[in-house]
Amino acid sequence: DTEVTQTPKHLVMGMTNKKSLKCEQHMGHRAMYWYKQKAKKPPELMFVYSYEKLSINESVPSRFSPECPNSSLLNLHLHALQPEDSALYLCASSQPTGNSHYEQYFGPGTRLTVT
Amino acid sequence: SQQGEEDPQALSIQEGENATMNCSYKTSINNLQWYRQNSGRGLVHLILIRSNEREKHSGRLRVTLDTSKKSSSLLITASRAADTASYFCAPVSGYSTLTFGKGTMLLVSP
Repeated sequence: DTEVTQTPKHLVMGMTNKKSLKCEQHMGHRAMYWYKQKAKKPPELMFVYSYEKLSINESVPSRFSPECPNSSLLNLHLHALQPEDSALYLCASSQPTGNSHYEQYFGPGTRLTVT
Repeated sequence: SQQGEEDPQALSIQEGENATMNCSYKTSINNLQWYRQNSGRGLVHLILIRSNEREKHSGRLRVTLDTSKKSSSLLITASRAADTASYFCAPVSGYSTLTFGKGTMLLVSP
């Protein structure tokens, strides 16, 4: 199984809502990532979890809160978002080996609209 | 982490033609990866080429790497309409994460 799944596919939320994005992989990968992608821009890294521990936070606002409950699951909790946070949120996983991250497997993304 | 710079930014060809896109980077790498993204979808890993490799093939894809020039190229032969997508390169150094450039938008017309 080389699939990364993300739910929901689409999400519309108000600025006062709390919601969560979910990501799951069963490839035994021990590194998982959240990216944010605005229209016509490349994906930008938000967070990296390595062996279920947060290893990289790219200065993301605290209204985004990641969680890695186990090696297969990655959540992104959203609270008090702004309209400019509307974007495609991509999850990815990889097997960190040696001293270099290898190929990443991406999910299809969650299209988030903040109203 | 370092960002690759893809060139051209946009490429429009007819089905059956070959498409070549280039990637330049600034510092030494462990490997360089190419990804494809169809509109509004997740990225798909295409090829990883290690710093000690000069050329790699996968189906209709051919990737070259010239570490002396700090550049890589991706050739898609006999393009199909389904190849229409954005293509990103990601040069990887040490323990760095992937940083994507602006990509090359390829349009293949029937």
